[in-house]
Amino acid sequence: DVKVTQSSRYLVKRTGEKVFLECVQDMDHENMFWYRQDPGLGLRLIYFSYDVKMKEKGDIPEGYSVSREKKERFSLILESASTNQTSMYLCASNRDRGDIQYFGAGTRLSVL
Amino acid sequence: AQSVTQPDIHITVSEGASLELRCNYSYGATPYLFWYVQSPGQGLQLLLKYFSGDTLVQGIKGFEAEFKRSQSSFNLRKPSVHWSDAAEYFCAVVGDNDMRFGAGTRLTVKP
Repeated sequence: DVKVTQSSRYLVKRTGEKVFLECVQDMDHENMFWYRQDPGLGLRLIYFSYDVKMKEKGDIPEGYSVSREKKERFSLILESASTNQTSMYLCASNRDRGDIQYFGAGTRLSVL
Repeated sequence: AQSVTQPDIHITVSEGASLELRCNYSYGATPYLFWYVQSPGQGLQLLLKYFSGDTLVQGIKGFEAEFKRSQSSFNLRKPSVHWSDAAEYFCAVVGDNDMRFGAGTRLTVKP
């Protein structure tokens, strides 16, 4: 069965902290994605990666960075967390561009 | 770049009633289209997808969607809603760029 695992369901961090959100997929997928979800805005693409050590900016990359050192793992990094980054973060993966994306359960991040 | 609009933020239907959720896309050619559902506290689950071929697509949980090129629409339908269908529904489109999502429609089911 397809599985995308996000390491934390809930996180509470302080303003200015460095935050790591981890995502692991066990499907040998080439592509991985990070979205944030906010009420009334749907899912917005932050960053994505088509291969190990490759990354591409999505629609809202400001304030975020990513790391993909291994094919199965894609990390989202908030270098200095701010309150406006309080949100639900969703990781997804797929095999081919345009194919179905499989989602993790999400990480709800609160920045105080 | 492609985009998608879900005109209805929130819809309430009675259990057993029919359902239609609207989705309009913007793209110059035929896109790939998807409907996902998100139950409270969960990630997104694929309901159905359209890549090509038959414009009426059947999905899981009794849902179907129809691709209408002339209207740039991909509306989701279900003939009889169950209380367990209460969730948020997202339409998504893939064109030149990777998947882009609509803002979502929250479905409430009245007993």
